[in-house]
Amino acid sequence: DAKTTQPPSMDCAEGRAANLPCNHSTISGNEYVYWYRQIHSQGPQYIIHGLKNNETNEMASLIITEDRKSSTLILPHATLRDTAVYYCIVSIYGGATNKLIFGTGTLLAVQP
Amino acid sequence: GAGVSQSPRYKVAKRGQDVALRCDPISGHVSLFWYQQALGQGPEFLTYFQNEAQLDKSGLPSDRFFAERPEGSVSTLKIQRTQQEDSAVYLCASSLAPGLTSPLHFGNGTRLTVT
Repeated sequence: DAKTTQPPSMDCAEGRAANLPCNHSTISGNEYVYWYRQIHSQGPQYIIHGLKNNETNEMASLIITEDRKSSTLILPHATLRDTAVYYCIVSIYGGATNKLIFGTGTLLAVQP
Repeated sequence: GAGVSQSPRYKVAKRGQDVALRCDPISGHVSLFWYQQALGQGPEFLTYFQNEAQLDKSGLPSDRFFAERPEGSVSTLKIQRTQQEDSAVYLCASSLAPGLTSPLHFGNGTRLTVT
């Protein structure tokens, strides 16, 4: 079973920041938070991952709370092409576990 | 460069037929994963290869499902005696390093419809 809780859907206006929340209250110390997204009829696409520090790359920023029980993915300037299902996943980075367990994600609809 | 390529893109099979789905990972990628995605659901893990070794097949739903990666590159997922509940999109992903230590790159999947 997925270890994360996400809202099923969200709307965002084009050009505004999209803030996607994720709860992972049972996360353990060696588990990372990963974000992937899936645009309709395509395979999932990696966005970002982190352990406890905030992370930023060319696609997004990841803010993880100090207690690591929740996180927020931020798309700073959403475009129509960002409309997708966004998956928040927690998993061990290395070791014996070699699978990402996807939940049902958040459908982000960017509105013109 | 080229991403993960899956073929065929669409497959229709009559119940009871065998099917073979192909995955061409990114060249040099050590890890290869298969996932199954039912309509409206997130992808579900099927199996994991590190080079030619199948290290985890815990997600394969029955012994009708078989995956191989004999030379550590191209992989084939075979489903024998297909049933209607096998209808789904089958996704393949590869990554440069073992396990989850590098991002997964997914193909666009094979949509299997069993009639």
